[in-house]
Amino acid sequence: DAGVIQSPRHEVTEMGQEVTLRCKPISGHDYLFWYRQTMMRGLELLIYFNNNVPIDDSGMPEDRFSAKMPNASFSTLKIQPSEPRDSAVYFCASSFGTVSYGYTFGSGTRLTVV
Amino acid sequence: AQKVTQAQTEISVVEKEDVTLDCVYETRDTTYYLFWYKQPPSGELVFLIRRNSFDEQNEISGRYSWNFQKSTSSFNFTITASQVVDSAVYFCALSEALTGNNRKLIWGLGTSLAVNP
Repeated sequence: DAGVIQSPRHEVTEMGQEVTLRCKPISGHDYLFWYRQTMMRGLELLIYFNNNVPIDDSGMPEDRFSAKMPNASFSTLKIQPSEPRDSAVYFCASSFGTVSYGYTFGSGTRLTVV
Repeated sequence: AQKVTQAQTEISVVEKEDVTLDCVYETRDTTYYLFWYKQPPSGELVFLIRRNSFDEQNEISGRYSWNFQKSTSSFNFTITASQVVDSAVYFCALSEALTGNNRKLIWGLGTSLAVNP
């Protein structure tokens, strides 16, 4: 089992540019979560999907953020246009069935917007 | 409202000391799950344990042990004979109400543990 795979590991971009983060969940997991982690705000849930359908996007900071899950094995988080305050580590996690199993996290993408 | 409090922001110990990380939670639900995750300096989040609200038995895994007490709404984590490799940020989390397809976790702010040689 390769675990949750995120790419890229690091991304440095200029303000105003579009950024796309990618995630491949564990095969068979039916929930996928996008989190953002900063020193100031800790871990924030941005959005999560169940069977590829967005369930709760109340954590998405603003319209500049969008997430898609076109199939069970792939999800993207897009920021357009990016701003310096978007700099953070973005984690993808997946889980199976009930929350009792917890999440398996990817290694994260460290985004720096300059 | 549901909430997880990790009152200890940072802890520093010397290797081989025992250390306890506190976690206090608030919930009105009768059925819930509690979790601990470890985030080492490399950055990934590693699942350590889950506990459901009906099982108050303490759990031991090697040098790690967890004490779940519903009477005090606490789920504390103890590392016995700490090692430098235990240095990490540790997060406690609580499941939201298990209704429908709600699968959100409520996270504490984490406790940064430094184990010094």
